[in-house]
Amino acid sequence: DAGVIQSPRHEVTEMGQEVTLRCKLISGHNSLFWYRQTMMRGLELLIYFNNNVPIDDSGMPEDRFSAKMPNASFSTLKIQPSEPRDSAVYFCASSFSGARDYGYTFGSGTRLTVV
Amino acid sequence: DAKTTQPPSMDCAEGRAANLPCNHSTISGNEYVYWYRQIHSQGPQYIIHGLKNNETNEMASLIITEDRKSSTLILPHATLRDTAVYYCIVRASGGSYIPTFGRGTSLIVHP
Repeated sequence: DAGVIQSPRHEVTEMGQEVTLRCKLISGHNSLFWYRQTMMRGLELLIYFNNNVPIDDSGMPEDRFSAKMPNASFSTLKIQPSEPRDSAVYFCASSFSGARDYGYTFGSGTRLTVV
Repeated sequence: DAKTTQPPSMDCAEGRAANLPCNHSTISGNEYVYWYRQIHSQGPQYIIHGLKNNETNEMASLIITEDRKSSTLILPHATLRDTAVYYCIVRASGGSYIPTFGRGTSLIVHP
């Protein structure tokens, strides 16, 4: 298994543009988590899906952020319009619901820079 | 979740044991202690977890005090590749578990 796959690895965009981050879950996993990491705030949970259904989106900073799971193995995180303060590393992670933490795997992240 | 307290940074000589402490004085009876680490530019990686007994795997050992208010992660023979941020997390295990990460301890292993 190739693990959790995120794309792109790096994204540089201008303020006001739409940004879409992508995540492919590990086969068989049914939970999906999006995190954001910055120096100031550390690693923050943005949203959590279980069986394609958003369970907790209280960490989504504002309406400019949206996340979807169009199918069981894929998720997108969209920022529209993007702002410089959105610059961060965005991680997704997947797990099998009910598993212990060794079933909880992170991707390599997408480093987003908004200029 | 029980709050955890970790030193912000530590250093260790290569080949020596690295002992990373974590305080979790408000831990509940059904809460486990989990350790993750994050190597630069990568996502966090699970290391080990335990409830009240000491645990060991191929990566590390976890020592939990008898009152469960603190624990220590031990890397028995640290290597340069163990340089990372180490997170101690306390949470009840199960399907609804969602790791919440604090600031962790930045461990630097030097030659």
